[in-house]
Amino acid sequence: QQPVQSPQAVILREGEDAVINCSSSKALYSVHWYRQKHGEAPVFLMILLKGGEQKGHDKISASFNEKKQQSSLYLTASQLSYSGTYFCGTEIKNTNAGKSTFGDGTTLTVKP
Amino acid sequence: NAGVTQTPKFRVLKTGQSMTLLCAQDMNHEYMYWYRQDPGMGLRLIHYSVGEGTTAKGEVPDGYNVSRLKKQNFLLGLESAAPSQTSVYFCASSPGQGPFYNYGYTFGSGTRLTVV
Repeated sequence: QQPVQSPQAVILREGEDAVINCSSSKALYSVHWYRQKHGEAPVFLMILLKGGEQKGHDKISASFNEKKQQSSLYLTASQLSYSGTYFCGTEIKNTNAGKSTFGDGTTLTVKP
Repeated sequence: NAGVTQTPKFRVLKTGQSMTLLCAQDMNHEYMYWYRQDPGMGLRLIHYSVGEGTTAKGEVPDGYNVSRLKKQNFLLGLESAAPSQTSVYFCASSPGQGPFYNYGYTFGSGTRLTVV
């Protein structure tokens, strides 16, 4: 089951904040986040394994709400380098399949 | 640098031709994956492997076959290419599930395939 990401696109000015959401219709084992620049491969940002877990990476952080079956990615004081498409990947709980399904992505554009 | 290497990087095929995409990783990862990404879209799982000698179907397996004879290599084959298979193909690897599963996927740089 493919997770649903929202919004589809965001345009920000440098220094502004953004939140990207990832929701699943199934209970999740893990959620992981990636950023992809145009013409490049996706790059791993972080993975969340436990409900209530929060992680941070520079000014980018994420949370995992297991009960709501969703995760949110927070980008604080955005920089030009944050521009790209952000994908969440989810693994369904109790399947032991070891595979992830990705959302369709959120395109983030940071302008000067 | 350690990572995932895909070959070739670009390829143009005629309808009906066959080809094999090679993915090699040097991180001793157990799990490997093949995804395709169409313009403006997300990643769709074609096939994956949870260990040497194993393969399993993903979301969009039709028209593709895979093999994982060695742990470090994962091959994707197109037996009879069709224009609908025009896409960017990404290989990825991960350590797999377990108590040390704090790593996401490492992706290769992709193969841009055009079928005419």
